[in-house]
Amino acid sequence: DARVTQTPRHKVTEMGQEVTMRCQPILGHNTVFWYRQTMMQGLELLAYFRNRAPLDDSGMPKDRFSAEMPDATLATLKIQPSEPRDSAVYFCASGPRTGSDTQYFGPGTRLTVL
Amino acid sequence: QQQVKQSPQSLIVQKGGISIINCAYENTAFDYFPWYQQFPGKGPALLIAIRPDVSEKKEGRFTISFNKSAKQFSLHIMDSQPGDSATYFCAASMYGGSQGNLIFGKGTKLSVKP
Repeated sequence: DARVTQTPRHKVTEMGQEVTMRCQPILGHNTVFWYRQTMMQGLELLAYFRNRAPLDDSGMPKDRFSAEMPDATLATLKIQPSEPRDSAVYFCASGPRTGSDTQYFGPGTRLTVL
Repeated sequence: QQQVKQSPQSLIVQKGGISIINCAYENTAFDYFPWYQQFPGKGPALLIAIRPDVSEKKEGRFTISFNKSAKQFSLHIMDSQPGDSATYFCAASMYGGSQGNLIFGKGTKLSVKP
């Protein structure tokens, strides 16, 4: 059963610290998305990649957030320095090139910045 | 700003009843309209989706009704069950479902009372 995996599942950190979240997309999927979920804003796109190339990162605060895909099996989202307003659940999703319209979501990383 | 507006925010239905959630969109370039279901502590999972060339799609107890001229679509859950209690998100995309970002509604928390 192919799934998107995310690590860590939970992260508590102090303001100013660096946070790195990792995502392993489903093997063979060519698009990877990072979404953030908060009570106030709901689900929002932060960035996405197609064939490892960044296509849209307009949803990310550029001064503190960065997203990369060092290879086809790993996507990372970094926050440096973290702030309390970054507290949220961060989801990674992946999608296949053909055969399905579905974006498959991972279980999320719940981030708390104190 | 591309938006998808969803209502109601919360919904309480008796077991066996019909749950109806509505969404409206603005951008006529959207060509894919999925509904996602999310249980607490889990990532969103695709429930059912429709493209604008059809007015209705049914999968089991779940039906999407689509009104292109009104730019509205809705989810109907027939014979609602307590296991359907979850948060439901409508979404829209301009590039199909797997190759472009999803614009989400704010979500509807459904509670089905036994």
